[in-house]
Amino acid sequence: DAGVTQSPTHLIKTRGQQVTLRCSPISGHKSVSWYQQVLGQGPQFIFQYYEKEERGRGNFPDRFSARQFPNYSSELNVNALLLGDSALYLCASSSVLLRPPNEQYFGPGTRLTVT
Amino acid sequence: AQSVTQPDIHITVSEGASLELRCNYSYGATPYLFWYVQSPGQGLQLLLKYFSGDTLVQGIKGFEAEFKRSQSSFNLRKPSVHWSDAAEYFCAVALWSSASKIIFGSGTRLSIRP
Repeated sequence: DAGVTQSPTHLIKTRGQQVTLRCSPISGHKSVSWYQQVLGQGPQFIFQYYEKEERGRGNFPDRFSARQFPNYSSELNVNALLLGDSALYLCASSSVLLRPPNEQYFGPGTRLTVT
Repeated sequence: AQSVTQPDIHITVSEGASLELRCNYSYGATPYLFWYVQSPGQGLQLLLKYFSGDTLVQGIKGFEAEFKRSQSSFNLRKPSVHWSDAAEYFCAVALWSSASKIIFGSGTRLSIRP
C-alpha cells in the first residue's frame, strides 16, 4: 500500500506570494495533520483535520489555512509568504481520532523556499 | 506548558558501540511518548511508543526506550549501532484534547564513526 504522499516535493516562492501544498493520506485513514519543520528544529504542529473538520490548530497566524476533502486528502494554504515560512512541511495521517493517540504516519514532506 | 527537551544536539559514536539518546518531558498528565527517526531528505519514521504498562518498550531496528516517571525521562537506547543508524532522532509527546497534537523536541543528530 502507498504511504502518505505529498506534492510538490520542492517549491520556490517569493515573499508576498501564496502557496498550496497537497497531501494524500494512507488509504482508509480519515485524519490528516500538518507540521512545519524549520531547519535545525523539530516539527511544529499546524493543523489536524478529521472527517473534514478542523479538530486542532497550533500557534500559527491566520495566513495559514487548510481543508480536507471528501476523499480525506488535504491542502495547506499559506498566504502572504514571509522568509520565515521557508521550511519542510510535513503531512501525517492516522486512521481515527482516539485516546490514546493513534500512530501518525508521516509523508516525505514539501520543501518550501521563500526568497 | 508541555515541552520536550533533548539536551544533546549532536552525538558521535563508533560503529558497534552502544547508544543512549536523552529525552526529558514536561507534561502534567500521563504522557504518550514517542521516538521518531528522520534520515536526510526523508519524513519521520516511528521507532517506538509508550502509552502505559511496561516502562521498557521495544521498537524497530533494535531500539528500546525506558520511561522513568520520577525523572520525567524517556531515553532511547541501542546496544550496538550500525552505520545506517546515522540520522536525526526526535523525542515527542502527544497531547490529546479534541485533537491529537504531537510536540517534538529539537532533535539529536547521530553520526557514526567507522
